[in-house]
Amino acid sequence: DGGITQSPKYLFRKEGQNVTLSCEQNLNHDAMYWYRQDPGQGLRLIYYSQIVNDFQKGDIAEGYSVSREKKESFPLTVTSAQKNPTAFYLCASSTSDRANWYFGAGTRLSVL
Amino acid sequence: QKEVEQNSGPLSVPEGAIASLNCTYSDRGSQSFFWYRQYSGKSPELIMSIYSNGDKEDGRFTAQLNKASQYVSLLIRDSQPSDSATYLCAVIESGTASKLTFGTGTRLQVTL
Repeated sequence: DGGITQSPKYLFRKEGQNVTLSCEQNLNHDAMYWYRQDPGQGLRLIYYSQIVNDFQKGDIAEGYSVSREKKESFPLTVTSAQKNPTAFYLCASSTSDRANWYFGAGTRLSVL
Repeated sequence: QKEVEQNSGPLSVPEGAIASLNCTYSDRGSQSFFWYRQYSGKSPELIMSIYSNGDKEDGRFTAQLNKASQYVSLLIRDSQPSDSATYLCAVIESGTASKLTFGTGTRLQVTL
């Protein structure tokens, strides 16, 4: 089945540690996105990529980094510079006409 | 910054009634509009997309778009307890062609 796979489902970060969230898709989509959701809030865009080896900052990119070395993969690193990383992280991809969007099941990140 | 606004709720309706969810957006050039349903701890599920002024119906759901008033709504007929969730309005803004911007969501409670 085609879809987006995020891992892990739950992740814990220690003080000063970088952690990486995985996002893999087999939908052959060029465009991929990372969103952050805080309790009772909507989704806010962190980074997005429209094509391999290219990505742009979203609205809340500070403290995060991404790479897009393969079409299927768009990992997100939460760096130690992100002082409030506790949130639900969602990866998404879209068709080229942006008419159809697909979301992964999400990763819930907490701070130890 | 371009915005998508929703009343956070909760909106409480009795079972069998019509639930009306509203969303306004600031970018007059926006062309694509989406309604998502999100259960607690889960990723968003697409309910409907709408691109033209007027109504679009799908089963118990009707999306309404008024671009002149920059307003999009979702009506849920014959509301069921299983409809209790947070409903997210999302908009693709003009000039970006890539970013899906979300409102903060309206929490709907369908009571027995």
